[in-house]
Amino acid sequence: DAKTTQPPSMDCAEGRAANLPCNHSTISGNEYVYWYRQIHSQGPQYIIHGLKNNETNEMASLIITEDRKSSTLILPHATLRDTAVYYCIVRGGGTSYGKLTFGQGTILTVHP
Amino acid sequence: NAGVTQTPKFRILKIGQSMTLQCTQDMNHNYMYWYRQDPGMGLKLIYYSVGAGITDKGEVPNGYNVSRSTTEDFPLRLELAAPSQTSVYFCAAGGTGGELFFGEGSRLTVL
Repeated sequence: DAKTTQPPSMDCAEGRAANLPCNHSTISGNEYVYWYRQIHSQGPQYIIHGLKNNETNEMASLIITEDRKSSTLILPHATLRDTAVYYCIVRGGGTSYGKLTFGQGTILTVHP
Repeated sequence: NAGVTQTPKFRILKIGQSMTLQCTQDMNHNYMYWYRQDPGMGLKLIYYSVGAGITDKGEVPNGYNVSRSTTEDFPLRLELAAPSQTSVYFCAAGGTGGELFFGEGSRLTVL
């Protein structure tokens, strides 16, 4: 499985966009990029995923570079409740699709 | 719709004791997972299953066993509890669409 690299922590002002980067330079052609977040000690929550096209849902947008070596999760209007650990995960295709491993993630702190 | 249910939520074990963490899902998902999370750390994959009767090791399987006799249930067995197994355990379930649904966690302390 491709490894991911994320900054350990980031800050964002409430109401502003939060842009969380993720590097996955060894990603393969059939591997997906997933984003989850974990608020306090709860179980992680799915946010969004994509293969090569940009994706948007009610929570966030995912921008994947053309070479697929990096991506950015965008929370368009961050609120205090978005303070959490954000995990970027690369998920294998084919027979590796089932295995889903988490890294250390980025601690996002949204301040007033 | 309960989603993923884990029991117990809290448990204290003595060294050498055995126990089973239960995980049940009502979404008919094929994929199920067990993770552990130590304080201040990320999640580590213990075991996972891609369907009934199929299980595979994750990153940290030593000291644990699993079984998947039905789609709904994915119990995690600790045979000889050790202090190093003190952690929060999360069970998750997901379909082919990729989204995982997590349980609330089981907090285990081994003394």
